[in-house]
Amino acid sequence: GQQLNQSPQSMFIQEGEDVSMNCTSSSIFNTWLWYKQDPGEGPVLLIALYKAGELTSNGRLTAQFGITRKDSFLNISASIPSDVGIYFCTRGDTDKLIFGTGTRLQVFP
Amino acid sequence: SAVISQKPSRDICQRGTSLTIQCQVDSQVTMMFWYRQQPGQSLTLIATANQGSEATYESGFVIDKFPISRPNLTFSTLTVSNMSPEDSSIYLCSAVLGQVYEQYFGPGTRLTVT
Repeated sequence: GQQLNQSPQSMFIQEGEDVSMNCTSSSIFNTWLWYKQDPGEGPVLLIALYKAGELTSNGRLTAQFGITRKDSFLNISASIPSDVGIYFCTRGDTDKLIFGTGTRLQVFP
Repeated sequence: SAVISQKPSRDICQRGTSLTIQCQVDSQVTMMFWYRQQPGQSLTLIATANQGSEATYESGFVIDKFPISRPNLTFSTLTVSNMSPEDSSIYLCSAVLGQVYEQYFGPGTRLTVT
């Protein structure tokens, strides 16, 4: 299947710092979503993007659907300890979700 | 929103045996899915659980190995058959209330095969 590559693979940051991660694909897609997975839990939807160029915020999180429709980024401002987890970009494709490789975030106090 | 529970939360099984995982949603949902997540990896879709008909499997997954049932709009089961150590993974179910890509996930079932 089509690979979604996320970078960076992992991040170690200090509480209060801003975070930026992105996701790229070799193909064009019409839907991008960002999910977060806490340890021992299933993923939870953070932000859904349905239009190229769309910029959407959810509290301290902001995500954009790239204008080329091949990429998306997620920013987290003023990180806090509970931001720890794995962040997955996903694309929607014929009623299915395809998950990216994930970015593992660790926040130190 | 939807709350999803899975049973068991974890299990250790012997090779050659089968395990059935249950997924219960607290409201009626349109679609349900089953995923596998190997340790430290991303999620891979196993199949779409169709209510009242056979599940739709993704490439690399077959019904004989992963039979799925969905008898109603709130419940589904996944069986991992004739297990081998390579089946050791976390198995997650998800459900859709509205937009198909905005899925609610269960907490997962951690399976270890010895």
